[in-house]
Amino acid sequence: DGGITQSPKYLFRKEGQNVTLSCEQNLNHDAMYWYRQDPGQGLRLIYYSQIVNDFQKGDIAEGYSVSREKKESFPLTVTSAQKNPTAFYLCASSPQLHIYGYTFGSGTRLTVV
Amino acid sequence: DAKTTQPTSMDCAEGRAANLPCNHSTISGNEYVYWYRQIHSQGPQYIIHGLKNNETNEMASLIITEDRKSSTLILPHATLRDTAVYYCIVRVAGPKGNEKLTFGTGTRLTIIP
Repeated sequence: DGGITQSPKYLFRKEGQNVTLSCEQNLNHDAMYWYRQDPGQGLRLIYYSQIVNDFQKGDIAEGYSVSREKKESFPLTVTSAQKNPTAFYLCASSPQLHIYGYTFGSGTRLTVV
Repeated sequence: DAKTTQPTSMDCAEGRAANLPCNHSTISGNEYVYWYRQIHSQGPQYIIHGLKNNETNEMASLIITEDRKSSTLILPHATLRDTAVYYCIVRVAGPKGNEKLTFGTGTRLTIIP
């Protein structure tokens, strides 16, 4: 079945460590996105990529980095510069010329201790 | 993208129709209305979208007012599994619209047994 796979579902890291969240899609979608969600809040856009080897900052990119070396993959690195990294992270994808909306992964819950 | 306003929370009895309102008074002529929902600790799920006409699919119906300044998502026979946060989003469809999908805090719908 086609879809988006985020791994792991739960991730624990010590403060000051970088951590990379995985996002893989087999939907042949051109565009991919990373969102952050805090308890009781809406989703905030971190980074997005419309094609391979290109990506753009979203609303809250500080302390995060991404790469898009393959169409299927859009990993997110949470660096030590991110002040409050504990959150629920969601990856999504869409075709370039879509109107039907995004497909989301099931999310990674990151806890920094 | 146009800003949307939704009630913070709503309750609905199981088996009844759930009507979720959304105001988008600054919507532009080329902006679509999209609805997503997010069940606890999962990624958002696309429900339906529309431009001017009312739309219906297997999940829900979307009623858009003639002036397009507001819309209502209707779940015709709500079940307990419909308990979720529902997001109303307006945006341009197509390549331009792929740049950003902005989620607010949505409406928390609780289906009461």
